[in-house]
Amino acid sequence: DAKTTQPPSMDCAEGRAANLPCNHSTISGNEYVYWYRQIHSQGPQYIIHGLKNNETNEMASLIITEDRKSSTLILPHATLRDTAVYYCIVNGPNSGYALNFGKGTSLLVTP
Amino acid sequence: SAVISQKPSRDICQRGTSLTIQCQVDSQVTMMFWYRQQPGQSLTLIATANQGSEATYESGFVIDKFPISRPNLTFSTLTVSNMSPEDSSIYLCSYLGGSQEKLFFGSGTQLSVL
Repeated sequence: DAKTTQPPSMDCAEGRAANLPCNHSTISGNEYVYWYRQIHSQGPQYIIHGLKNNETNEMASLIITEDRKSSTLILPHATLRDTAVYYCIVNGPNSGYALNFGKGTSLLVTP
Repeated sequence: SAVISQKPSRDICQRGTSLTIQCQVDSQVTMMFWYRQQPGQSLTLIATANQGSEATYESGFVIDKFPISRPNLTFSTLTVSNMSPEDSSIYLCSYLGGSQEKLFFGSGTQLSVL
């Protein structure tokens, strides 16, 4: 039973911002929103996570709505190397920290 | 973050045989996880492996088919037993690390069963 909903695929032009949405309407108060990505033939890579405040690191920004029912991962200047499957995952202490991956969004960055 | 490595990176096996995949982390970690990724699919959690206790398996996975060892805080193995072509997948190990509970993944083992 998926806890998140993501579009199956998205395109983005190189150099533009990629905005990847995620719905998590059943998120619990102590659950975080995590984003991972998987580049072809590699293991998943951690990107960012947040509880309720917006977060930014060297890879991306995470915008979480005030009601916490949805979020957006922003890659500010997408490059071809950002082509990957992006997974939005809700997780917290009660889940034992084992991540349950949904189908994710396949992002294609085009020249 | 600690460096995590898996071996073999890939293997081709005959049906009915078993393969043991090794996962090594270069520092001590408490929680390790094993995942399976079938062709074209997302990752599915097989089990959680904590040192000093038996692995906890997810629904649909059993110890007889996927025995796991966790002899110390830096090492774990997953065995795929009595393999069939349906076991052809990528198998990934991961560990829980960092001060903010992130998962770090190995590069995976690509298994093909003929």
